[in-house]
Amino acid sequence: KAGVTQTPRYLIKTRGQQVTLSCSPISGHRSVSWYQQTPGQGLQFLFEYFSETQRNKGNFPGRFSGRQFSNSRSEMNVSTLELGDSALYLCASSRNRGATDTQYFGPGTRLTVL
Amino acid sequence: GQQVMQIPQYQHVQEGEDFTTYCNSSTTLSNIQWYKQRPGGHPVFLIQLVKSGEVKKQKRLTFQFGEAKKNSSLHITATQTTDVGTYFCAGPVQGGSEKLVFGKGTKLTVNP
Repeated sequence: KAGVTQTPRYLIKTRGQQVTLSCSPISGHRSVSWYQQTPGQGLQFLFEYFSETQRNKGNFPGRFSGRQFSNSRSEMNVSTLELGDSALYLCASSRNRGATDTQYFGPGTRLTVL
Repeated sequence: GQQVMQIPQYQHVQEGEDFTTYCNSSTTLSNIQWYKQRPGGHPVFLIQLVKSGEVKKQKRLTFQFGEAKKNSSLHITATQTTDVGTYFCAGPVQGGSEKLVFGKGTKLTVNP
């Protein structure tokens, strides 16, 4: 069974631009969660989508948004990029909702904001 | 809000030495999960503990869940260079919001 895939793997943007990241979950998984990972803050939860609905949101500004499609694929968007948005963005899929299910992480998208 | 604290932040050991990382929550956890992230990689699920006082073993790795379900530990016996990486614990936020809160991780380096 194929794992979680994320595209693109690397991205360089400049301040003020916007970016869209994509995540394809493991087949049969209906939940997709997004995390931001930085050396200083560790793994921080952005949001979770299940059945095309955002079920949970972390403490991030409204510039961070996402959506999930009927095939469970998910995208996250960051508008008006800031230098501090440079990070590894990880998505994780799980079969069902909730924090009791094993999270399968993708390889991440490394975003650099110049 | 609920936090999951992990100590130590860094640990450097000689190959063959033991290693332990500790995870503490400010509130009771329904379960705790452990993940390992190799350098340049992504977090990979190791195990989930659910029961109070539960102990699980995976070869040289021993995982424990405290009696009060507010703390957990991961112990590696006789470390090897393949154990290098960052170990994270994660627990669900209470109240049904069902998001995983990750500790900041313990970065393990092993000197051969």
